Amino acid sequence: RKEVEQDPGPFNVPEGATVAFNCTYSNSASQSFFWYRQDCRKEPKLLMSVYSSGNEDGRFTAQLNRASQYISLLIRDSKLSDSATYLCVVNLDSGGYQKVTFGTGTKLQVIP
Amino acid sequence: ETGVTQTPRHLVMGMTNKKSLKCEQHLGHNAMYWYKQSAKKPLELMFVYSLEERVENNSVPSRFSPECPNSSHLFLHLHTLQPEDSALYLCASSQGKRGGSSYEQYFGPGTRLTVT
Repeated sequence: RKEVEQDPGPFNVPEGATVAFNCTYSNSASQSFFWYRQDCRKEPKLLMSVYSSGNEDGRFTAQLNRASQYISLLIRDSKLSDSATYLCVVNLDSGGYQKVTFGTGTKLQVIP
Repeated sequence: ETGVTQTPRHLVMGMTNKKSLKCEQHLGHNAMYWYKQSAKKPLELMFVYSLEERVENNSVPSRFSPECPNSSHLFLHLHTLQPEDSALYLCASSQGKRGGSSYEQYFGPGTRLTVT
């Protein structure tokens, strides 16, 4: 089983649609979780952290289910500018630095 | 954004060349990372430095040699590379916290390496 698994997509959705991405992780000791966004030929950039209580940032909502080792990202009212690859990231704090594992990413294409 | 910078941005090198990639972070972080990103593959963590000490080396071939002279600079020395080493090499930094929750990483723009 991969350490972090994501559906690679692509997800092709019309503008204004709601889209959800899922991610599962294998190490139950993982401590922190993030969603990053990577545009084509650019570096990954932090989208949002994921907290157990769930958190929202504008049109984006992230959820964590530790019991099921599952993370989700919901995007409401999709914009063309949301087109990118969304990377699920799982961290394990290891004495002052993070052992970081990236998922393969889910590609989103928002269509006019 | 200039939090993490990388040079060069593009590099083409032959298999017998020696070159170095440079990363500099201006964020006051205490941990730095090298990643490799190949087409259609997830980011692969190569090396981690925490407080200038190498703390992780993920079975990377010896033709890749990292160096961290201080907490703001990280190098990746390359020699006798293979064509399959062609990829985007990304540097990142973070502020680690002992015993606490992990902080997010900030990435540089990457060096796109082509080995001919």
